[in-house]
Amino acid sequence: ETGVTQSPTHLIKTRGQQVTLRCSSQSGHNTVSWYQQALGQGPQFIFQYYREEENGRGNFPPRFSGLQFPNYSSELNVNALELDDSALYLCASRTGQGPQETQYFGPGTRLLVL
Amino acid sequence: KNEVEQSPQNLTAQEGEFITINCSYSVGISALHWLQQHPGGGIVSLFMLSSGKKKHGRLIATINIQEKHSSLHITASHPRDSAVYICAATTGGADGLTFGKGTHLIIQP
Repeated sequence: ETGVTQSPTHLIKTRGQQVTLRCSSQSGHNTVSWYQQALGQGPQFIFQYYREEENGRGNFPPRFSGLQFPNYSSELNVNALELDDSALYLCASRTGQGPQETQYFGPGTRLLVL
Repeated sequence: KNEVEQSPQNLTAQEGEFITINCSYSVGISALHWLQQHPGGGIVSLFMLSSGKKKHGRLIATINIQEKHSSLHITASHPRDSAVYICAATTGGADGLTFGKGTHLIIQP
């Protein structure tokens, strides 16, 4: 158990719709990152939040947005869904820095866009 | 931009065999992670390395910073080791992890 939970586990949407995915991490995990993993590929970095501010972003368009809340939960919002958004979405919280860094991954939300 | 390459992509071995999975990266990093992903998606962190070698049970991870290369070894492999093993590099900033594509390992009884 990593202490990181995600909801929902599975989701089916249609093209053009909007979706919100949720992640809850352990107390004290101030940094949370979101990743998109297409089938057969490694995860791709979407963005990172630290103390409720986005402080890093990968190569994803603005229709991918997020929020982080004081209770160590966070959201990934995707607007105007496209077929290629079908993937496993993972959140990961992080504690420590440098040699003491530890990453904790959630189980993921599998999104299918039809 | 950091590129992370893993080899092999797929590996099938017999129970008891010694397994090696390789990872190379293109730019300087602050740490490299080895992760295990089972069917269904859940990812478990196995090791985080910034230098040298770490061992946990039958798993050993090494990193050579000069050569930008890391290896994950599994001794006395067992069918329960079957999973996708992924290496991921970080520069320590706010760029998240850069992942390899993973190595799909199958250990046959």
